[in-house]
Amino acid sequence: EPEVTQTPSHQVTQMGQEVILRCVPISNHLYFYWYRQILGQKVEFLVSFYNNEISEKSEIFDDQFSVERPDGSNFTLKIRSTKLEDSAMYFCASRGTVFGTEAFFGQGTRLTVV
Amino acid sequence: GDSVTQMEGPVTLSEEAFLTINCTYTATGYPSLFWYVQYPGEGLQLLLKATKADDKGSNKGFEATYRKETTSFHLEKGSVQVSDSAVYFCALVFTGGGNKLTFGTGTQLKVEL
Repeated sequence: EPEVTQTPSHQVTQMGQEVILRCVPISNHLYFYWYRQILGQKVEFLVSFYNNEISEKSEIFDDQFSVERPDGSNFTLKIRSTKLEDSAMYFCASRGTVFGTEAFFGQGTRLTVV
Repeated sequence: GDSVTQMEGPVTLSEEAFLTINCTYTATGYPSLFWYVQYPGEGLQLLLKATKADDKGSNKGFEATYRKETTSFHLEKGSVQVSDSAVYFCALVFTGGGNKLTFGTGTQLKVEL
């Protein structure tokens, strides 16, 4: 069964460092998403991506964040200068069609900023 | 804005007990509603969904009915198993456009023998 794959499963980084979280969405899917969940809080939408550009982003997704689909298979989330409050579980998701409502999620990357 | 409220966990039940996890939503319009489940060490998986009022979603013995009048989508299962231990997330989405999901906080379920 096709699945969304995220790497690494756990990343520890120093405050101020850049991190790149990687995702391989389901092939032939067209819509890509990043969500995050701070421990004990809601799963929050960060950004959606379609046709090689951001289609929607939340207020969380400020200038420190960026997304890329560099090679037609990977979908990355970059945090330029990490802060302690960026510590969270980050989920990647993909969806196939415009009217398909089901999103398929990866297993998540736990980011710990120290 | 749109929001989802779930009952707080953890919920601890004995095997074969009846499960209810409450979920209510606030939204302008009529969203589609979902329950996602996260088993330990895994990603979010779609458990069931309902796309319009009075629809009942069901899967693996779990059910939820889209109640427009009470803006609710409570998850139920008649007899839980240890293997149902997981975190359950209620979510809504508006079809078309970006289709971003709005999630609740998640409810952890622990089922004991």
